[in-house]
Amino acid sequence: DAGVIQSPRHEVTEMGQEVTLRCKPISGHNSLFWYRQTMMRGLELLIYFNNNVPIDDSGMPEDRFSAKMPNASFSTLKIQPSEPRDSAVYFCASRRGTGLEKLFFGSGTQLSVL
Amino acid sequence: AQSVSQHNHHVILSEAASLELGCNYSYGGTVNLFWYVQYPGQHLQLLLKYFSGDPLVKGIKGFEAEFIKSKFSFNLRKPSVQWSDTAEYFCAVNAKDSNYQLIWGAGTKLIIKP
Repeated sequence: DAGVIQSPRHEVTEMGQEVTLRCKPISGHNSLFWYRQTMMRGLELLIYFNNNVPIDDSGMPEDRFSAKMPNASFSTLKIQPSEPRDSAVYFCASRRGTGLEKLFFGSGTQLSVL
Repeated sequence: AQSVSQHNHHVILSEAASLELGCNYSYGGTVNLFWYVQYPGQHLQLLLKYFSGDPLVKGIKGFEAEFIKSKFSFNLRKPSVQWSDTAEYFCAVNAKDSNYQLIWGAGTKLIIKP
């Protein structure tokens, strides 16, 4: 199994540009999570999907952030417009079932907004 | 609000030294507890977990952790570290009334000198 695949690994963009981060969960997994990691706030849950439906998006910082999961094998996290304070590592994770011990993480996308 | 505190942000040890990384959480209810590890350039992976039963749990690569309910602590230990243990370690807490919300500590970067 290839694991959770995120792209790109690194993204450098200028303030005001649109950024799209992508995630392919492990085949057969029915839950998907987007996390953001910063030095100041550590790891924070942005949004949680179950069976492609957003269940909890209370962690999405503001309207500039949006996430979609059009099917079981693909999700995107979009920031429009991006700001320097969005610079962080964004992780995607997926699982089958409901156990948090079954959470598998991608390698993350390092985003730098200049 | 729930929170997780990891006392040391950076730890430097020599090979064969003993390791203890502190983790304390604030939550009055029943919890599941986790330690994750992120090796350089790799994704987060589960090191060990505690759900119930014996408060001393053993994980991969010789790590163990002890849940002390009265102290709200879940410290990670290893009697003799190796250079390959160089990584960042994260403690995380899940309230049992949620099957998706993990509260994360800020992480401890461990460097093992050969």
